[in-house]
Amino acid sequence: EVQLVESGGGLVKPGDSLRLSCAASGFTFSSYSMNWVRQAPGKGLEWVSSISTKSTYIHYADSVQGRFTISRDNAKNSLHLLMNSLRAEDTAMYYCTRGAPTTDFWGQGTLVTVSS
Amino acid sequence: NFLLTQPHSVSESPGKTISISCTGSGGSFASNYVQWYQQRPGSAPTTVIYENDQRPSGVPDRFSASIDSSSNSASLTISGLQTEDEADYYCQSYDRNNWVFGGGTRLTVL
Repeated sequence: EVQLVESGGGLVKPGDSLRLSCAASGFTFSSYSMNWVRQAPGKGLEWVSSISTKSTYIHYADSVQGRFTISRDNAKNSLHLLMNSLRAEDTAMYYCTRGAPTTDFWGQGTLVTVSS
Repeated sequence: NFLLTQPHSVSESPGKTISISCTGSGGSFASNYVQWYQQRPGSAPTTVIYENDQRPSGVPDRFSASIDSSSNSASLTISGLQTEDEADYYCQSYDRNNWVFGGGTRLTVL
């Protein structure tokens, strides 16, 4: 069974950093590009970042470029998102998703709240 | 920039058929696939259509989708509506290397 389990969310202050993780199981992680997609409370979906199978290709939304860093560890079947200089507008549920450009599976998400 | 526009909300009765539109501007569906995601209240999104018209395993064939190149629009059609179909639906495509989402459509089955 395919599983994506996000962790690392929480309440932080503006300017703080946070590292999200996504533990993958039930499939060959190293064969799939992976992504982070977020959803602010009561709002729509927003793509954040994508990483290719061997981390060769990495892309970010303009809204997080220069502040967020996506990475993966194929040996540990894990995906990460290091978020620096967090802002109130980064408050959202962050979802890990499998596959790019076509994504076929979503995790349940981890909530990040940025508030003073 | 490629923008995707969806109706804010639609409603229909159980057993009926409904279509949700996704209109593109500033880009073309001819060169990029469209995906559709369902998000039930309080749950994570799930993929119901990928690569324009393909259904993941487990998605009932009541769900179908198409592209109309002449109007640069995509449509998700749900037939035989069931109360469990009540959810938000998002279309998604690409603008160069970036994903683009529509604003979402709230489907009410009443």
